Amino acid sequence: DTEVTQTPKHLVMGMTNKKSLKCEQHMGHRAMYWYKQKAKKPPELMFVYSYEKLSINESVPSRFSPECPNSSLLNLHLHALQPEDSALYLCASSQGGVGRGEKLFFGSGTQLSVL
Amino acid sequence: AQKITQTQPGMFVQEKEAVTLDCTYDTSDQSYGLFWYKQPSSGEMIFLIYQGSYDEQNATEGRYSLNFQKARKSANLVISASQLGDSAMYFCAMRETWDNAGNMLTFGGGTRLMVKP
Repeated sequence: DTEVTQTPKHLVMGMTNKKSLKCEQHMGHRAMYWYKQKAKKPPELMFVYSYEKLSINESVPSRFSPECPNSSLLNLHLHALQPEDSALYLCASSQGGVGRGEKLFFGSGTQLSVL
Repeated sequence: AQKITQTQPGMFVQEKEAVTLDCTYDTSDQSYGLFWYKQPSSGEMIFLIYQGSYDEQNATEGRYSLNFQKARKSANLVISASQLGDSAMYFCAMRETWDNAGNMLTFGGGTRLMVKP
């Protein structure tokens, strides 16, 4: 099983809503990531969890709140988002080692629209 | 300063022909890794190929090969015998430093490849 599964695939929410994005992997990976990708732009790193601890937060606004309940799951809780937060949110995982060649496995993403 | 530069926003290639996608990078590290990912319209980022800065041989993975020129800081992707399914966005990415914090990839702006039948 080499899949990273993200749900939902599409999400439309209002600026006052609270929603969550979910990501799951069963490859035994110990590092998990959230990336944000605006249309026609490259992915931008938001958060990194390493061994279930938040290790990197790339100055993301507090309306995005990550959570890693266990080594297989990663959530992104959304609250009071702005229309400019509309984007494709990609989850990824990697083995969690220190090798420079460690590759990331990505999910298909959640396309988020904030109205 | 941009660390990864992909100068071709869009490219066409005839089916069954080879195509080269350009990537140049900027780093002061001696040890780094270079990656290429493919992103079809479905959104998923698919790993294609990896080249380490100390690797003496150019990486190859099936129809994909990486033309690594360290002195020029370029890592071009070569796709041989293009197929219609190769039409997608292609991203070059670099990992400069690594520690237990995870794999910090910086992506280039991408090249959209369109394969013509």
